[in-house]
Amino acid sequence: DTAVSQTPKYLVTQMGNDKSIKCEQNLGHDTMYWYKQDSKKFLKIMFSYNNKELIINETVPNRFSPKSPDKAHLNLHINSLELGDSAVYFCASSLSGTANYGYTFGSGTRLTVV
Amino acid sequence: AQKVTQAQTEISVVEKEDVTLDCVYETRDTTYYLFWYKQPPSGELVFLIRRNSFDEQNEISGRYSWNFQKSTSSFNFTITASQVVDSAVYFCALSDPLNTDKLIFGTGTRLQVFP
Repeated sequence: DTAVSQTPKYLVTQMGNDKSIKCEQNLGHDTMYWYKQDSKKFLKIMFSYNNKELIINETVPNRFSPKSPDKAHLNLHINSLELGDSAVYFCASSLSGTANYGYTFGSGTRLTVV
Repeated sequence: AQKVTQAQTEISVVEKEDVTLDCVYETRDTTYYLFWYKQPPSGELVFLIRRNSFDEQNEISGRYSWNFQKSTSSFNFTITASQVVDSAVYFCALSDPLNTDKLIFGTGTRLQVFP
């Protein structure tokens, strides 16, 4: 059983399109995250949600809209995709207040905008 | 501001060599956590270790060992007798003291182990 699963694993799309990435965790965690890894491998947090409530929003363009229907799911919707959005997007989860014990990451979604 | 520096962009070694990956961090907080993650060529991020700021004991796990020194703000990672399967990008990370649910990552060190 995959602990944190993301779909799709690969996503190729044209500029201007709208796309979504889904994330689900079966660990019973209550905090979920989206991280972006750029072409230079730099990892940076985008959002975090705790029990469906937005906690962190790191100056991400408002074309990115996370949605958390329940604490086991955190989806990422991206409008009007741009070339610069090409990256690997990682979902992660943890128990609130225990992120210091380390996140569990999903396997990533490689988004390529052409 | 909090910051993690991994000055080594890429390291190449031959199998069975020992290799140390450096990590230097900056924080004004007295309570913080440090991590190492491994990202193999398959792309996933694998948690290796967590260390809190009050525990300066070195840790060993098989061929892996970590040296935490608060005096130099360093948390270095050594692989003994490296193997080809150790080839990966390794990230050091620091918890944000203002928001402990957020990790600040270094830029990573790519380790290539040749047979």
